[in-house]
Amino acid sequence: NAGVTQTPKFQVLKTGQSMTLQCAQDMNHEYMSWYRQDPGMGLRLIHYSVGAGITDQGEVPNGYNVSRSTTEDFPLRLLSAAPSQTSVYFCASARGLNQPQHFGDGTRLSIL
Amino acid sequence: KNEVEQSPQNLTAQEGEFITINCSYSVGISALHWLQQHPGGGIVSLFMLSSGKKKHGRLIATINIQEKHSSLHITASHPRDSAVYICAVKSSGSARQLTFGSGTQLTVLP
Repeated sequence: NAGVTQTPKFQVLKTGQSMTLQCAQDMNHEYMSWYRQDPGMGLRLIHYSVGAGITDQGEVPNGYNVSRSTTEDFPLRLLSAAPSQTSVYFCASARGLNQPQHFGDGTRLSIL
Repeated sequence: KNEVEQSPQNLTAQEGEFITINCSYSVGISALHWLQQHPGGGIVSLFMLSSGKKKHGRLIATINIQEKHSSLHITASHPRDSAVYICAVKSSGSARQLTFGSGTQLTVLP
């Protein structure tokens, strides 16, 4: 099993550009989430999903959209990139809300 | 004040030393997680606990619910244990998310 797969691993964007960070898991996990990790700060939840067709906002949702059309995939869309969105993004999945999370390897995103 | 505080922020130890990393939190919780982030960036879940103590190999995690405190211990530390260790709590009042500490950078010297 591949676990949680994130693509791309690195990306550089210009301010105002849009892009989608991909996340896929092959463990049939219902719960998926997106976090951002910034220096000196803990991981912060952007959006999460408790199953296909269901998404909700986390702590820092502004500037990001998500959708969950299948159990496997949970893409994160940056609508109009801003330098404040420069960060490392992690996708995670779990069997349920109270289960250990499995993390992808992260996407390092720089916005110029 | 952050809901989850870890100490120390940085820790350097000699190979073989017993290591303790502390996590204090200010909210009622239903579970506490310990995670390990490798130098390459990958994050691995080590423990999830809501009471008592768990052990896996050289790693031991304890939690005291009354004192709102958890510790992660590493026995016979090794340079391969060098990583960032992250504490996260699931608030009993929140259905949806974990709150993370900012991590403890551990370096074990040979």
